[in-house]
Amino acid sequence: KAGVTQTPRYLIKTRGQQVTLSCSPISGHRSVSWYQQTPGQGLQFLFEYFSETQRNKGNFPGRFSGRQFSNSRSEMNVSTLELGDSALYLCASSLDGRGKETQYFGPGTRLLVL
Amino acid sequence: AQTVTQSQPEMSVQEAETVTLSCTYDTSENNYYLFWYKQPPSRQMILVIRQEAYKQQNATENRFSVNFQKAAKSFSLKISDSQLGDTAMYFCAFSFNFGNEKLTFGTGTRLTIIP
Repeated sequence: KAGVTQTPRYLIKTRGQQVTLSCSPISGHRSVSWYQQTPGQGLQFLFEYFSETQRNKGNFPGRFSGRQFSNSRSEMNVSTLELGDSALYLCASSLDGRGKETQYFGPGTRLLVL
Repeated sequence: AQTVTQSQPEMSVQEAETVTLSCTYDTSENNYYLFWYKQPPSRQMILVIRQEAYKQQNATENRFSVNFQKAAKSFSLKISDSQLGDTAMYFCAFSFNFGNEKLTFGTGTRLTIIP
């Protein structure tokens, strides 16, 4: 089976712009979670989607949003980019989203905001 | 809220030696799961090993094993016969059992294997 894929792998944006990142889960996985990784804050949970519904959300401002499609692919959007949004954004998928399941991570999208 | 603490920011060890990475966590729940993930320089997060809190037996996966002390809320990772490919950031993570997909991560330990 193919692993979790994320596109694009690298992105450079300027402050005020918006960005959309994409994640394709492992085939058959219905839960997709997003994490932000920065040197200062470490790995932080953004949100989780299951069957096109957001089930769980981390402590991030409303500029961060996401959605999931019927094929389980997910996108996250960040509007009005700030310098502090520069980070590695990781997507992870699991079968049904239960806590006992292992999450499998994609290679990440590295976002640089100038 | 649960927290995960990794008190060793960096460690280094000679190739073929054994190294133990520490992790403690805090939760009031009784049913949960613990994970060790490895993040090499490529940045791909890879599962190393997982432990179910209800299991007393420590998980093992080839050269990797854990020492799970539930009462002490401790979950250390032992890497035996360390190899150059083990060089990476190692993250300890926690999740609940019930419908909550969120992983809470520690701050990580940067492990360097010296040839």
